[in-house]
Amino acid sequence: DAGITQSPRHKVTETGTPVTLRCHQTENHRYMYWYRQDPGHGLRLIHYSYGVKDTDKGEVSDGYSVSRSKTEDFLLTLESATSSQTSVYFCAISETTTQETQYFGPGTRLLVL
Amino acid sequence: SQQGEEDPQALSIQEGENATMNCSYKTSINNLQWYRQNSGRGLVHLILIRSNEREKHSGRLRVTLDTSKKSSSLLITASRAADTASYFCATEGIQGAQKLVFGQGTRLTINP
Repeated sequence: DAGITQSPRHKVTETGTPVTLRCHQTENHRYMYWYRQDPGHGLRLIHYSYGVKDTDKGEVSDGYSVSRSKTEDFLLTLESATSSQTSVYFCAISETTTQETQYFGPGTRLLVL
Repeated sequence: SQQGEEDPQALSIQEGENATMNCSYKTSINNLQWYRQNSGRGLVHLILIRSNEREKHSGRLRVTLDTSKKSSSLLITASRAADTASYFCATEGIQGAQKLVFGQGTRLTINP
């Protein structure tokens, strides 16, 4: 998985609790992304980062925040988890801004009860 | 807003046969990419075709792109059981910034 790890790999939590997912890369790639994957929707972009402390919203950013204090780490936070945020979350990285492939982590399966 | 729409949603064929999957999109693109996802795993990049390219090959994979019809196809020749996976197309819009938009995917099953 191109030097990308995600933690935790599985998490069960309750509605209203905060949750933080971590993506860690060893490739020194500038761009990092968080996606969610749901049946019938494919992958949808939540937030992305184009450098340390530089982030922007994706298609489905409501209810999520991100932070990137180091090149290698990109954190996704659900401030108050809801059942609609039950999903599989994937982190991805890329080296350049365009015409480049993305490399995906193994995913985090999150269940919000 | 979903950019890529894939067809069929599911495909089941015999080992050794060819598999063709199609992707249609709505707006102008810089490139179109195909990814594979094995069950329970992350996505793996297969091939990228730029907007000024019409056809690209990689091993048993052949990808075509028709920008006038806003469509692409992925052909896997001489399929193997290990090709069983979901296949996704993803488009990078002309706005760049590597913001890929994924289709819903085609679930391919290769029967031995």
